[in-house]
Amino acid sequence: GDSVTQMEGPVTLSEEAFLTINCTYTATGYPSLFWYVQYPGEGLQLLLKATKADDKGSNKGFEATYRKETTSFHLEKGSVQVSDSAVYFCALVKTGANNLFFGTGTRLTVIP
Amino acid sequence: DVKVTQSSRYLVKRTGEKVFLECVQDMDHENMFWYRQDPGLGLRLIYFSYDVKMKEKGDIPEGYSVSREKKERFSLILESASTNQTSMYLCASSPRNYGYTFGSGTRLTVV
Repeated sequence: GDSVTQMEGPVTLSEEAFLTINCTYTATGYPSLFWYVQYPGEGLQLLLKATKADDKGSNKGFEATYRKETTSFHLEKGSVQVSDSAVYFCALVKTGANNLFFGTGTRLTVIP
Repeated sequence: DVKVTQSSRYLVKRTGEKVFLECVQDMDHENMFWYRQDPGLGLRLIYFSYDVKMKEKGDIPEGYSVSREKKERFSLILESASTNQTSMYLCASSPRNYGYTFGSGTRLTVV
C-alpha cells in the first residue's frame, strides 16, 4: 500500500546550519507530495508541495524536489533559525484520492 | 483568513464517558478528516467525510464514530472513552484533491 518514510528524529542543529530531512515514499501512479510543519502547541501548516516529477516546492527558505527515480522528496534549508524548531511531516496524496498519508514526523530543534 | 476551528484545546474526561469533539470549517470544503497524533506514530486517520451525511473509515476507526449533518461541521464521537484514547486529535478540511487546512488540535486526556 501507500506509505511515507521519513528520517527519525530528533534532529538538533545550531543556528545557520544546513538542514536535510529525508523522505521517501511508496505509491502507485503519480502522487502529489507535501511537507507540513507543526509548531509547538499548534496544528499542522502546509509548508510546501509538488505535484509532479522534477517539481520543486519552496517556501520560507525551505525546498524539496520531487524525485520520481528515487521516490524521494527530501526537505532542505540552507541556514536554519531558532524559529524553525518544529515537527516536520512528509505526506502524499494519490491523484484522485482525498486523504493524505503522513510520515511519522521529524522533530527539529535549532539552538542559538 | 480561512479557518478550521476545533471547539476545545484541552479536555479531560473520565473512562466510560461519551465524548464529542467538534470541528467547524468556514471554507465550504467538501472533505473533512479526523486524525489522532501520538508520539512515534505520526498522524493516523480515524474517519473522513467527503460530503454531508457521508463518512468513510480510516485506518483506526475502532472506538470512534462521526457525524456530518452540515457541510461545515464534522464531529468525532467517542462512545465510551478509554485511557488508550488519550491523544491529540486533529481535524482538517480540504476541497477536492488535496490542500488540507488543519485546526489547532484538541488534547484529550481520559482518566
